[in-house]
Order: sequence, then C-alpha cells, then structure tokens
Amino acid sequence: DSGVTQTPKHLITATGQRVTLRCSPRSGDLSVYWYQQSLDQGLQFLIQYYNGEERAKGNILERFSAQQFPDLHSELNLSSLELGDSALYFCASSVEWGISGNTIYFGEGSWLTVV
Amino acid sequence: AQKVTQAQTEISVVEKEDVTLDCVYETRDTTYYLFWYKQPPSGELVFLIRRNSFDEQNEISGRYSWNFQKSTSSFNFTITASQVVDSAVYFCALSTGANSKLTFGKGITLSVRP
Repeated sequence: DSGVTQTPKHLITATGQRVTLRCSPRSGDLSVYWYQQSLDQGLQFLIQYYNGEERAKGNILERFSAQQFPDLHSELNLSSLELGDSALYFCASSVEWGISGNTIYFGEGSWLTVV
Repeated sequence: AQKVTQAQTEISVVEKEDVTLDCVYETRDTTYYLFWYKQPPSGELVFLIRRNSFDEQNEISGRYSWNFQKSTSSFNFTITASQVVDSAVYFCALSTGANSKLTFGKGITLSVRP
C-alpha cells in the first residue's frame, strides 16, 4: 500500500458526460501528480500541483482540469468525455516539488470506461 | 527532451530462470534520476528503485539487481530465480531538471510460468 488513495476505483460513463476523480496523497506529501495510462499512449503525465498551486503541465486536454485543495487532496475533472478518454488514471504524490529525483508514489488508479 | 526506451515488449520465462529487463534513456541533463516501477495485474504502480546519475554503483535487493551504465545510457533490471509473483509489467522512468515529473518507457510485460 503506497498510502495514496484514489476514488472511485472503477467508473463507467457515457460519452459527453463529466466525471471527477479524487485523490488523497500520502501523509506529509505536498505534491500531487496525475497520469493517464492508455493502451496506445502508455503512461502520460497530465499535471502536477504543489501545496495547492499548479506547477507543471503535460499532455492534458482542455476538457480536463484539476485542482488541489487546502487539505492537499486533489480532484481531476474530465468533461465532454469521448471514447478515447477510456484509460487508467493514476494519482501520485511526493514530498517536494522542483527537485528531480523525488520518489513518486502512485495510487491504485481509477479505471474509467467511456461507452 | 527526455526519452526512455524499453525495446523488449514481452518476455516469458519459466520459474527459477533469471531474466534481465533492458532500459535505455536519453537526456542532455547531467543530473537525472532513473526509476523502475512494477505494475502487477491488479493495476497499481509499485515503486522499486531510484538511482541518481552520479551513482553508478550496482544495487542488489534480494532477488532484484540493477545495473546502471552511463556509458551506454542504460539502467537494466535483473530478476534472479524468477517467481510467478514476478509476473507484471515493468516500467523504467526518468526525471530530470527542476521537475519531478516522470517520463516512462512503454513497459515490459514479464510472464513467469510455473
């Protein structure tokens, strides 16, 4: 158990809908990351927050947004869902930001299926 | 730009065989970190090891060992006396610069048969 908690574990929704994925980082970790794992793209970095502020952005679509709250939990919002958004979404956390080499611990992921 | 190449896509071995998973990375940064993660069939990503670019010492942890060679930009992972529980997808990853984000390889699916 990495200590990173993600909910829900599985989600099935229809095209055009909006979903919210939730993540609680490990105790003491201030940095939260979101990654997407799909068959064709592999593991892709989406976005990173540190202590409530966005710090880095990767291949995140405009239909997707995220935030980190004062209690450090984070939410990833996916809207106008398309079939191609079906993937495993990982949240991860680390103690710091801006230092290459932080060990990043991943949650169990949220399986999203868009039908 | 950073890149991680895991040329092997699938490896199948019989239990108790040794197996080496290859990882080749590309970066222009002189300071960087390399990682291996394991993804068992249940789906979670499990951290295995972190190695920084200034430490080329090989590391052994039980049946696992890692060989880091800057000269060939490789960070290979060997499992000795493989077990069925080692069956998983293994990812090599790289982080560089003033950012912790990871660049992953495409992963190697390891199947260990009884």
